[in-house]
Amino acid sequence: LAKTTQPISMDSYEGQEVNITCSHNNIATNDYITWYQQFPSQGPRFIIQGYKTKVKNEVASLFIPADRKSSTLSLPRVSLSDTAVYYCLVGDPMDTGRRALTFGSGTRLQVQP
Amino acid sequence: KAGVTQTPRYLIKTRGQQVTLSCSPISGHRSVSWYQQTPGQGLQFLFEYFSETQRNKGNFPGRFSGRQFSNSRSEMNVSTLELGDSALYLCASSLESPRQHGYTFGSGTRLTVV
Repeated sequence: LAKTTQPISMDSYEGQEVNITCSHNNIATNDYITWYQQFPSQGPRFIIQGYKTKVKNEVASLFIPADRKSSTLSLPRVSLSDTAVYYCLVGDPMDTGRRALTFGSGTRLQVQP
Repeated sequence: KAGVTQTPRYLIKTRGQQVTLSCSPISGHRSVSWYQQTPGQGLQFLFEYFSETQRNKGNFPGRFSGRQFSNSRSEMNVSTLELGDSALYLCASSLESPRQHGYTFGSGTRLTVV
């Protein structure tokens, strides 16, 4: 499984755009990039998933360069409720033989008023 | 639609005892996975079940076991509890392919071993 590297923590203020970058130099051809958000004492919540270029949904955007060795989760206009840990995961969702999600340490985002 | 339901939410057990945790996946989801989360080790994969069969297994001792029923509900059991088993145990369910929507996690069961 491709190893991921993310910043341990980030600070931001309400209303700002936050970009969290994840490095995954050993990403395989069939691997997708998935981001989860976790609040204390809750399970992780799926945010967004992508394979290449740009993916956007109602809560975030995911930018993936052509070489796919990194990805950036973009959260527009964050609020206090976006304070959480964000995990970047890389894997092949179609590979039923290795469906375990490998969570790294994640990025702890603290949003200040 | 209802999310992933885990019961109980909190549990206190004594060393040496055993415990059974329950997970009801989202209707239509046939894959159920279990994870252990501790401050020191983070989120670690325990095992995954699909159609009542264990399909993947993490690196945990045999004291940790699970099963899945025909209605996709799953249970995990930990025997001979140790203090180090204190953790948040999370269950996640998904469709056959978690592409696009990923896994849906429950709120977990907080197990404390004293």
